Amino acid sequence: GAVVSQHPSRVICKSGTSVKIECRSLDFQATTMFWYRQFPKKSLMLMATSNEGSKATYEQGVEKDKFLINHASLTLSTLTVTSAHPEDSSFYICSAREEEREGLYEQYFGPGTRLTVT
Amino acid sequence: GQNIDQPTEMTATEGAIVQINCTYQTSGFNGLFWYQQHAGEAPTFLSYNVLDGLEEKGRFSSFLSRSKGYSYLLLKELQMKDSASYLCAALDSNYQLIWGAGTKLIIKP
Repeated sequence: GAVVSQHPSRVICKSGTSVKIECRSLDFQATTMFWYRQFPKKSLMLMATSNEGSKATYEQGVEKDKFLINHASLTLSTLTVTSAHPEDSSFYICSAREEEREGLYEQYFGPGTRLTVT
Repeated sequence: GQNIDQPTEMTATEGAIVQINCTYQTSGFNGLFWYQQHAGEAPTFLSYNVLDGLEEKGRFSSFLSRSKGYSYLLLKELQMKDSASYLCAALDSNYQLIWGAGTKLIIKP
């Protein structure tokens, strides 16, 4: 099956610094990538959708200047949390979707990144 | 608005059968997914239904009724490792996934 990697898996940073999270599709070309965050015992919350070569579409309430998304190629998307604060501490998960195949729009999830801001 | 409803938590016994229900209201509909998520891990794909009926895959089966906006995930011969959250997600007219809050399934020996 399709594999998505995410790096780093865990990161601890100080308040005010920026953190970059990478999401890669390893064996397929991802035309669309999604970034989610998840708080403990809560469901996934979609932050933004990105298509290769175009600007990301952010969900309502998500600050685009704070959460910078770059979908540089068909296999790589990055999320940069700028000027991180403790309330940004969360589990960030990316997912990737390749071109629609046989009507199936399955998303393949990365393993997630646990961000802790101190 | 768009909405997915599923129970918050369920408890079942090892070896038994459990059914997790999901109702959805979306702008258009292009299918329904079930994902399994263990604590601290990303979701993993379980099933996809776009036509009415039951899809069976080993110990797990998923059912869809488009006219009722209803789906269920059926888990048979429960094992302790099935303790996880089960997420229902509907694909809307824009092919975006609308997520339910998840059902935490607790398996007791």
